Amino acid sequence: DIQMTQSPSSVSASVGDRVTVTCRASQGVNGWVAWYQQKPGKAPKLLIYGASSLQSAGPSRFSGSGSGTDFTLTISSLQPEDFATYYCQQAYSFPPLPFGGGTKVEIK
Amino acid sequence: EVQLLESGGGLVQPGGSLRLSCAASGFTFSSHLMSWVRQAPGKGLEWISSISFSGRDTFYADSVKGRFTISRDNSRNTLYLQLSNLRADDTAIYYCTKMTTGYPYYFDNWGQGTLITVSS
Repeated sequence: DIQMTQSPSSVSASVGDRVTVTCRASQGVNGWVAWYQQKPGKAPKLLIYGASSLQSAGPSRFSGSGSGTDFTLTISSLQPEDFATYYCQQAYSFPPLPFGGGTKVEIK
Repeated sequence: EVQLLESGGGLVQPGGSLRLSCAASGFTFSSHLMSWVRQAPGKGLEWISSISFSGRDTFYADSVKGRFTISRDNSRNTLYLQLSNLRADDTAIYYCTKMTTGYPYYFDNWGQGTLITVSS
């Protein structure tokens, strides 16, 4: 099974900062990676799919990139509503559909 | 608007059973794979099961295989998860999720979740 490893597990940042979260797959996943945002006490929401396609209504400050085994989620200018936990997920090999361990973006 | 409404969670003793339901609306239910994803308290997301359009094909994580059964009733637009032989480490919020149309499969809509607590 493909494993997804996220780093860092947490990051402290200020409003306006550029934030980068990375996800590494244990083998190539053909760019079929999604990113989800989860705010405390809420269900996750799909943010990016296909490594770089922004889900409808997603803010343009979020972007995704990567190929092969290494993928990145970037928030270009962190906003107060972006403080949340972010998860990656691979969709290349099904089943299973594993998630990364999560990255918590906290206020500095 | 897509809506997924889970029900059936609660407190159950170790070894017990429970059935979760997920009422779906706002999309053509029978045209989408559906899944359950869970999240233990303070932990990350874990995919546990998916079901094909018709319900003929089912898929499970190793952690629940043989104990959980996913099913669907397309006439009622409802997804189910039968949980048996529950253990303390099954304590989690269980989310019903709609899968994207076609492969590759992402989870594009989520319910609000229902909490299952396994404890004596």
